[in-house]
Amino acid sequence: EIVMTQSPATLSVSPGERATLSCRASQSVSSNLAWYQQKPGQAPRLLIYGASTRATGIPARFSGSGSGTEFTLTISSLQSEDFAVYYCQQYNNWPPLYSFGQGTKLEIK
Amino acid sequence: EVQLVESGGGLVKPGGSLRLSCAASGFTFSFYTINWVRQAPGKGLEWVSSISSSSDYIYYADSLKGRFTISRDNAKNSLYLQMNSLRAEDTAVYYCARLGLVGSTTVYYFDFWGQGTLVTVSS
Repeated sequence: EIVMTQSPATLSVSPGERATLSCRASQSVSSNLAWYQQKPGQAPRLLIYGASTRATGIPARFSGSGSGTEFTLTISSLQSEDFAVYYCQQYNNWPPLYSFGQGTKLEIK
Repeated sequence: EVQLVESGGGLVKPGGSLRLSCAASGFTFSFYTINWVRQAPGKGLEWVSSISSSSDYIYYADSLKGRFTISRDNAKNSLYLQMNSLRAEDTAVYYCARLGLVGSTTVYYFDFWGQGTLVTVSS
């Protein structure tokens, strides 16, 4: 089983500043990594797939990078609506046994 | 507009059973692999099960140990999850989530999610 580890657990950032979230895989997942945003009481929303491709409708301030075991989600200038929990998810196994990171809560500083 | 609407959640006693449903609309349901993903209260996301477009390929998380059964009815645009021998640790919001499709090729990230249905296992 591939274990995904996100850091930090909580990140406090001021609006307008940059946020950098990390995700590490216990073994290489190539670029088969997605990021999701979840706001309280809502379903997760796909942000990034293929480690760096923004999903439809996702603003350009969201960017993803990395490959192998180390990945980063960067939000370049935080807006009020960006404060949420972010999850990474790998999809490199076969048969597919999807695993998520434990999440990073992005809160207002 | 793509929609996935879950139903069937509720309060059930330990050892009991429950059947969840997910009604799809706004896309060609029969083309897509659909999954169940759950989230315990205050916790992260946990993948539960996956069923391919024609039900040929079905997968489960190892932790379920044969207690859950996923199925679908493409004529009714519906997905199901039969949950038996329920335990307190199965308490969670259960989401149905669609895998993406690029042309005719399934891609293994979840591009649309329903709003979820809450299952509470308690005596």
